[in-house]
Amino acid sequence: KQEVTQIPAALSVPEGENLVLNCSFTDSAIYNLQWFRQDPGKGLTSLLLIQSSQREQTSGRLNASLDKSSGRSTLYIAASQPGDSATYLCASPGGGTSYGKLTFGQGTILTVHP
Amino acid sequence: GAVVSQHPSRVICKSGTSVKIECRSLDFQATTMFWYRQFPKQSLMLMATSNEGSKATYEQGVEKDKFLINHASLTLSTLTVTSAHPEDSSFYICSAPKDSAYGYTFGSGTRLTVV
Repeated sequence: KQEVTQIPAALSVPEGENLVLNCSFTDSAIYNLQWFRQDPGKGLTSLLLIQSSQREQTSGRLNASLDKSSGRSTLYIAASQPGDSATYLCASPGGGTSYGKLTFGQGTILTVHP
Repeated sequence: GAVVSQHPSRVICKSGTSVKIECRSLDFQATTMFWYRQFPKQSLMLMATSNEGSKATYEQGVEKDKFLINHASLTLSTLTVTSAHPEDSSFYICSAPKDSAYGYTFGSGTRLTVV
């Protein structure tokens, strides 16, 4: 059974800092891994999707990496802004397909203060 | 794109009544939809998997008769909370995978408050 763990649970940084959020998973036979952002009281917004054959994906100030052999993924946020404050979740579908049940980490609550 | 529209965003109902939450895939066909429940400051808890044209699959501990799921078309899945009680108050979110290139898309969530 896939288990996903995220560290740290919470992170507070001053504006402008570069930061790294960590996600580890126990089953390396993943199909893909997806990073989401959730604002309070809102649904989830997809940030980046990394296929199992890829090592990283980039979107603007965000870069996500995937290392299947070590069971780890990282989300790098460059030049953080107060608007980046949110909960960040990583998740991977089970069953070796792209349509399996998502297993979520517990999330990292990020606060970027001016 | 891949958009899932969820309604209502907020609902307040009296104890004992039923509430229906709808999720529609706007620009793709969703043969499968997932329904989650989220308590404050916790991660998402999968309740059930909705399959178009067949019965939903419920996770262990989720009452099938209380949380009725219908997936009558390739673009619409509904979750009905029957005989709601205050302990059912929570944030409910739906999700659907479009394809391997898009991954999962989530609805905006429904805040249910039972008084």
